[in-house]
Amino acid sequence: GQQVMQIPQYQHVQEGEDFTTYCNSSTTLSNIQWYKQRPGGHPVFLIQLVKSGEVKKQKRLTFQFGEAKKNSSLHITATQTTDVGTYFCAGQSNTGKLIFGQGTTLQVKP
Amino acid sequence: DTGVSQNPRHKITKRGQNVTFRCDPISEHNRLYWYRQTLGQGPEFLTYFQNEAQLEKSRLLSDRFSAERPKGSFSTLEIQRTEQGDSAMYLCATNRGTDTQYFGPGTRLTVL
Repeated sequence: GQQVMQIPQYQHVQEGEDFTTYCNSSTTLSNIQWYKQRPGGHPVFLIQLVKSGEVKKQKRLTFQFGEAKKNSSLHITATQTTDVGTYFCAGQSNTGKLIFGQGTTLQVKP
Repeated sequence: DTGVSQNPRHKITKRGQNVTFRCDPISEHNRLYWYRQTLGQGPEFLTYFQNEAQLEKSRLLSDRFSAERPKGSFSTLEIQRTEQGDSAMYLCATNRGTDTQYFGPGTRLTVL
């Protein structure tokens, strides 16, 4: 079945440093979605990418979808302590269910 | 608050007991999904409903698990004869069609 892999599992950065998490799917994706989960919280939708090679920005966050629609990345510029949490990518099947990666947990040292 | 509510928020039970969780979706959302999340992992799909019809079930959903959405609104997830391995966060998400899924706060189950 479809699998979504995400690396790294953990990342510790100093406040102000950049952060990137990478997502790879075993199959071509119709779209990829990114979620953020704070400790003790539930996944919160960040963005959806649909087109091959698409790049979207949200303030300090930059999301990319690969040309082959099998990989994606999330880059945070100049991290802040409010960026702490676990970032998940998720591929969507044709029935609508989400297939999540394992997540990357970001810790930011002030 | 996404508008999706789940009850209870926490449940502690003894092994072998039955538990039931409830999810109330955003009112116009016709699709409802259940996911399970264990520590350090991403949510895993369990099952989904379109209106009252259960259209897909994961192999993770053993015969001890049953889900219903009788009137196409709220949904319940029941686990019979709970095992320690059932300890997890059970998340409900809803949407309309294939729009963005909105997650509820989850029910954290601890089986002693």
